[in-house]
Amino acid sequence: AQKITQTQPGMFVQEKEAVTLDCTYDTSDQSYGLFWYKQPSSGEMIFLIYQGSYDEQNATEGRYSLNFQKARKSANLVISASQLGDSAMYFCAMRGMTTNFGNEKLTFGTGTRLTIIP
Amino acid sequence: SQTIHQWPATLVQPVGSPLSLECTVEGTSNPNLYWYRQAAGRGLQLLFYSVGIGQISSEVPQNLSASRPQDRQFILSSKKLLLSDSGFYLCAWSETGAGDSNQPQHFGDGTRLSIL
Repeated sequence: AQKITQTQPGMFVQEKEAVTLDCTYDTSDQSYGLFWYKQPSSGEMIFLIYQGSYDEQNATEGRYSLNFQKARKSANLVISASQLGDSAMYFCAMRGMTTNFGNEKLTFGTGTRLTIIP
Repeated sequence: SQTIHQWPATLVQPVGSPLSLECTVEGTSNPNLYWYRQAAGRGLQLLFYSVGIGQISSEVPQNLSASRPQDRQFILSSKKLLLSDSGFYLCAWSETGAGDSNQPQHFGDGTRLSIL
């Protein structure tokens, strides 16, 4: 079974500062994928960034980067130069890479509510 | 490009009434399809997923059901709604294929369901 833990229910960050959102995971799969999603107050889930367990480099997408520490089973999201529009819920999720039926399922954490202060 | 449509956006239903939420995907073939529920202030709970027409897997026992009558259509239903069915329902799709775990799931805009 897979489990995602996000220990920060809420965070307040000053605009233009960098912010790190924590995510730890537990899995018995040898290979897996980790995802981060953003959910604004309007409700839609927006895919931000992906990290594969065998990727040697940390993933980056614009202002988003993923601090992947495999031995510690952590996949923290870093947002640089935060903006007011970054205020939202952020979810960490993972998917195993087994060949079983339904291996495409995502397991989500409980999320972190990020508020950017002007 | 691929798009996902989910409707209605908001729904208020009395206890005991039936439910039908619909989700369609455009611009892709044989997608994996998913239904999630999100309680207020909580994470996403996977309800159903489908890897093909007529192939539905249920993740949690409940009074909801799902059907996939066409390749890119996914329907969430209930014969009699309960108060506990209130929540935010999200449909999602992803590219098919075992081992493609770098493929993200793409979500619809969701349906806010309130049971009175």
